[in-house]
Amino acid sequence: EDKVVQSPLSLVVHEGDTVTLNCSYEVTNFRSLLWYKQEKKAPTFLFMLTSSGIEKKSGRLSSILDKKELSSILNITATQTGDSAIYLCAVEAFDNDMRFGAGTRLTVKP
Amino acid sequence: EAQVTQNPRYLITVTGKKLTVTCSQNMNHEYMSWYRQDPGLGLRQIYYSMNVEVTDKGDVPEGYKVSRKEKRNFPLILESPSPNQTSLYFCASSFRWENEQFFGPGTRLTVL
Repeated sequence: EDKVVQSPLSLVVHEGDTVTLNCSYEVTNFRSLLWYKQEKKAPTFLFMLTSSGIEKKSGRLSSILDKKELSSILNITATQTGDSAIYLCAVEAFDNDMRFGAGTRLTVKP
Repeated sequence: EAQVTQNPRYLITVTGKKLTVTCSQNMNHEYMSWYRQDPGLGLRQIYYSMNVEVTDKGDVPEGYKVSRKEKRNFPLILESPSPNQTSLYFCASSFRWENEQFFGPGTRLTVL
């Protein structure tokens, strides 16, 4: 059965730390992997990854996909309290099916 | 097993024919939400509900209705579907809005 697993489920760091969030998947006919940040009532889109080894970057956030390992990481450098949120990983298949991970709750303390 | 269920999983319909997509959760969650997922656009929130009898518009509510008469159910209603509502729809729930959301398996809707 297709699944998406995120780790850790919860993480507490201090401002300035660097964090790495993981997402692994078992999905038939993989098409893309998406990262979302959920801090309000709805997730906001961060990255979409389709090709292995190509890093996507947006400010202090970056993400990369490893199709061999069936996984992706989301890195946040120099964390700020505003980075506190739940980070969701979702995997889309070519048949347009989509599965979400359970999310990683990140808390950044001042 | 704790889960969010949606029905149907797949639906092909024609323009103007009213339809309802059901969503049910068995976790006693207060917060429920509907999203649509379109290629290149990510998740967009349609409607959400903070609790029973409390619903509010998300980012793309036009053409949709919802109701929350009971805590566990949050149906999405398309009174007069149009082809631009062809999409993949997700229902999600969480204990409160700030908690992790549990997503349903998705409903793929095609409107011809």
